[in-house]
Amino acid sequence: QSALTQPRSVSGSPGQSVTISCTGTSSDVGAYNYVSWYQQHPGKAPKLMIYDVTKWPSGVPDRFSGSKSGNTASLTISGLQADDEADYYCCSYAGSYTYVFGTGTKVTVL
Amino acid sequence: EVQLLESGGGLVQPGGSLRLSCAASGFTFKNYALSWVRQAPGKGLEWVSAISATGGTTYYADSVKGRFTFSRDNSKNTLDLQMNSLRAEDTAVYYCVKDRGSGSLLDYWGQGILVTVSS
Repeated sequence: QSALTQPRSVSGSPGQSVTISCTGTSSDVGAYNYVSWYQQHPGKAPKLMIYDVTKWPSGVPDRFSGSKSGNTASLTISGLQADDEADYYCCSYAGSYTYVFGTGTKVTVL
Repeated sequence: EVQLLESGGGLVQPGGSLRLSCAASGFTFKNYALSWVRQAPGKGLEWVSAISATGGTTYYADSVKGRFTFSRDNSKNTLDLQMNSLRAEDTAVYYCVKDRGSGSLLDYWGQGILVTVSS
């Protein structure tokens, strides 16, 4: 149950796009189309932003988009806004009700 | 509206025990699996344990296996996480999290509760 690998930080100016990668294995990311992404502001609970690799929960803007290729998933934030500054975690289902999270990425809006 | 409210956190000495509870509302509790996820101070998220909808099956991360026990009461819409032999590295905010169904997505999170293991 090793954590999925994410870059420690990414940054961009308002209006720009940033992409966060999430690398797992053939037992988690590569095995299931059940990758989700969570946004977490300091002191708050994680908020679901993307699920099933590419889907948006109600209320999440389509500036957030997800994709997957092999054992690597990605989250792209387009039209970066100040409120997007937060920590982002990927998560993959790993079978039998179990999950593995990514190491987390801090997004900074310059 | 789905609501998950954790309780029971606090300060405990190394080697001690603590019982976390989670009260759920806003969904048909008995139909959904649930999990506990924790986050150590300044660290990332870690899946800890899951329980099936009936409560008949439980799963644990290697880091807590044999020390934590996850149970549920479908008549009261409540969950319990019994934590024994606590270590300093168990210090974290613990989140109660609803599963979409029988695995595949952790869709609703509680606000979390802090457990501190320290002498």
